This record gives sequence, structure tokens and C-alpha cells, in this order.
Amino acid sequence: DAKTTQPPSMDCAEGRAANLPCNHSTISGNEYVYWYRQIHSQGPQYIIHGLKNNETNEMASLIITEDRKSSTLILPHATLRDTAVYYCIVSLGGINTGTASKLTFGTGTRLQVTL
Amino acid sequence: NAGVTQTPKFQVLKTGQSMTLQCAQDMNHEYMSWYRQDPGMGLRLIHYSVGAGITDQGEVPNGYNVSRSTTEDFPLRLLSAAPSQTSVYFCASSYSSRVYEQYFGPGTRLTVT
Repeated sequence: DAKTTQPPSMDCAEGRAANLPCNHSTISGNEYVYWYRQIHSQGPQYIIHGLKNNETNEMASLIITEDRKSSTLILPHATLRDTAVYYCIVSLGGINTGTASKLTFGTGTRLQVTL
Repeated sequence: NAGVTQTPKFQVLKTGQSMTLQCAQDMNHEYMSWYRQDPGMGLRLIHYSVGAGITDQGEVPNGYNVSRSTTEDFPLRLLSAAPSQTSVYFCASSYSSRVYEQYFGPGTRLTVT
């Protein structure tokens, strides 16, 4: 699995967009980008994933560069409840696979949303 | 649905003791896994299972055993607890076709003295 690089911490004002970057320059063609978050002491929570195209769901948007070497998770209107550690993970699809399904969590980005 | 449940929430063991961390899910997920998270670090995969009767090792399997006799349950057994196993343990589950979307339990905080 490709390694990822994320800033250790970021701040964001409540109501503003939070843009969390992730570098994955060694990503291979069939690897997906996944984002999870972990709110203090809780189990991680899946947010979104993508392969090539930008993706959006009710929680966030995922922008992947054309060369796929980096991506950005966007929380459009951050709230205090979005304060958490955000993990960017690159891995084989885990779609209809058992062996290639392990997610490797790094240390992530600690996002602090403030008033 | 209760989702993924873990028991106990907290546990203190003495070195050399054994115990089993329980994990259950009611979503009929084929895939289940165990992670540990040490302070200030990301999660590391201990063992995983792609279905009843099938288990495999993750990144840090030493000192732990698992079994999967039913779809719902995936217990993690510590054979002889060591202080290095002090950690927070998370269980997760997912459909085998969507392993990227794992549902995590609330965790078990284990201290080994």
C-alpha cells in the first residue's frame, strides 16, 4: 500500500471550509484513497473514498488531483463536532477482496475547529 | 441495530494473565478485524477475518489469538498479557464487498501492570 503524508495539525474557524491535504505520491493505479476520522476516544468513522474522480457525500467532498499524487478532503462548513483526527489511507480497493482489504492508519491530521 | 459492540470497556490485567476481548456485530458483515491504538499513534491491525472459520494475521499478531465460529462474533484472546499490550483495542466490521467502509466499535481500554 502506498504511504501517505498529512500535516500533523490544522485549525479551522467554525462555519468555514476545512481543507485537509494528503500526499500519496507513490499511489498505484488500482489503489483507492479513503478518509476516516476519529473523534476523541471513539472508534474511527468512515467518511468518503475515491479512485480518480472527485466525490461528494453528505459528510464531505474529496478532490483528487489528476496525477492522483495528492488529495484534499473538504468539510464545507466545519462545526465544533468536526474536531477530530482525520486519516488519509491509500489501499487496494477492498472491493470483493479479502486479502487486499487491510487499512493502514497513520497518525493523521488533528483538526481543531474553533469559535 | 446495535452495530459493533465490545466488552469490556475497561480492563486491568496483571502480567501473565489471559483474557478475551469480546466483539459482536448485528449487521451480518462478513469481514471483521481487530486493531490496537497506542497513545499518539495510528491504528495497527492485529488479526482479521473474511468470514466464519477464516482468520488471518495483520501487522502485529504476536501475543494474540482469534477465532471466528459465527458471523456475529470475533473474540480476541490475549494469551499471556504483557505491559506492551497496554493499549486501546478496536473491533471493526464491514461487508466483504465494501471493506473500505468499516464500522468500528467503541473500544476496550486495556492496562497491563
